Amino acid sequence: EVQLVESGGTVLRPGGSLRLSCVGSGFNFDDYGMSWVRQVPGKGLEWVSGSNWEGVTTGYADSVKGRFTISRDNAKNSLYLQMNSLRAEDTALYYCARHAYYPLLDAFDIWGQGTMVTVSS
Amino acid sequence: EIVLTQSPDFRSVTPKEKVTITCRASQSIGSGLHWYQQKPDQSPKLLIKYASQSFSGVPSRFSGSGSGTDFTLTINGLEAEDAATYYCHQSSFLPTTFGQGTKVEIK
Repeated sequence: EVQLVESGGTVLRPGGSLRLSCVGSGFNFDDYGMSWVRQVPGKGLEWVSGSNWEGVTTGYADSVKGRFTISRDNAKNSLYLQMNSLRAEDTALYYCARHAYYPLLDAFDIWGQGTMVTVSS
Repeated sequence: EIVLTQSPDFRSVTPKEKVTITCRASQSIGSGLHWYQQKPDQSPKLLIKYASQSFSGVPSRFSGSGSGTDFTLTINGLEAEDAATYYCHQSSFLPTTFGQGTKVEIK
């Protein structure tokens, strides 16, 4: 079964740091670009960051540029999101999503179940 | 940044009714427009990619059309299980962006 499983979400204070992880299974992880998408509970979807299959080409939303870093370890079938200088507005459910075919810009054909990050004083 | 505007924001419909949701882009995006369904407490699921290509396993009552700036998702013969929020998404330009969502409720 093709699946993505995120982990690492927690409650932390503004200014803190956190690393989210996403493990893929049931497919050749290093064949696909991957992204992080977040959703404030009850609200819409916001793309956060994406990476091509090798992690060399990446992109970020303006709202996280300079604070978040996406990376991947294909040997571990894993995608990561290093989140620094966290703000209350970063509070959301963070999804890991697979790009359907193209390296950085494509539909998201597989999604994880999400991991919740809460930033609160 | 490409802004995607969906209409309507909310729709209450009876089973077997035809539902049309539109998505308008702030500038031309060719056919780089995709549609997702998200049910409560679930992850989004891809329905339609590149405006009109049905994703594997999606019921045939879901279809998409459009190009440039105007796109449509059509549900022909709504079923009770289709109660969900539907999002459009463009992947023609970075940052990739989503519409605000259309909630479909079953009467």
